[in-house]
Amino acid sequence: AQTVTQSQPEMSVQEAETVTLSCTYDTSESDYYLFWYKQPPSRQMILVIRQEAYKQQNATENRFSVNFQKAAKSFSLKISDSQLGDAAMYFCASSTSGTYKYIFGTGTRLKVLA
Amino acid sequence: NAGVMQNPRHLVRRRGQEARLRCSPMKGHSHVYWYRQLPEEGLKFMVYLQKENIIDESGMPKERFSAEFPKEGPSILRIQQVVRGDSAAYFCASSPISPNTEAFFGQGTRLTVV
Repeated sequence: AQTVTQSQPEMSVQEAETVTLSCTYDTSESDYYLFWYKQPPSRQMILVIRQEAYKQQNATENRFSVNFQKAAKSFSLKISDSQLGDAAMYFCASSTSGTYKYIFGTGTRLKVLA
Repeated sequence: NAGVMQNPRHLVRRRGQEARLRCSPMKGHSHVYWYRQLPEEGLKFMVYLQKENIIDESGMPKERFSAEFPKEGPSILRIQQVVRGDSAAYFCASSPISPNTEAFFGQGTRLTVV
C-alpha cells in the first residue's frame, strides 16, 4: 500500500525568503507520480507541481521546485521568493501509474510573514 | 472552459436526514472521483466513476453512502441518514480519458450535520 507522510504540520517563512516543505512516501511500485497541491482558505485544490517518477530531472514551475530523491523516497517542495499569496495548506500526494487514486499526506500549513 | 463545479458549497443537515452532493466535471472529462476531507486531515479517496459505471468504490463506507454518474447530468454523492461523523468537506475531481494526467478538483462541499 502507498503512504505519504508530511511531518511538518506548520511552517512559517518571511516574505521574499525561501522555504522547503518536506514529504516522504512509500510505494512498492516502480512507476508512479508525485504531486504538490495548494489549498487556500477558499478550499480550492490547486496543482502546484507534478513529478513523474521515471524522470530524474526535478520539476520546476516558476518559483516552485522539487527535490526528488527516489532512493530515499523523498519529495520536498521549495518555494522561492515567498509571497503573501503563497499562504495556504500544502498537500503532498502520490498515485500509481495506471490507477486513479491519489494518496494524500496530512498537509503542512504555510504562513507567510510580511 | 468552466472548471469542476460542485454544489452546494455549504450544506447543513440534521441527523437522520439525507445529503445530496452534486458534481459537474469539466467539459470533455468522463472520469469522476470523490474524496472526503475530515478537519485537519488530507483528502481520502472514496469512489471512482465513469459515465453510468462505478469503477472503484473501495473507499466508500459500506452503509448509507452511494454515488452515481448518469449518462446525462452531474455525478451525485448521496449520504442517507447522516450522522455527526459525516461532517466533512467532500471534493469531486475529474480527468480526461487517461487517468494520471492532472485531476482537476472542484471547490468542495462542506457538509455540517447538526
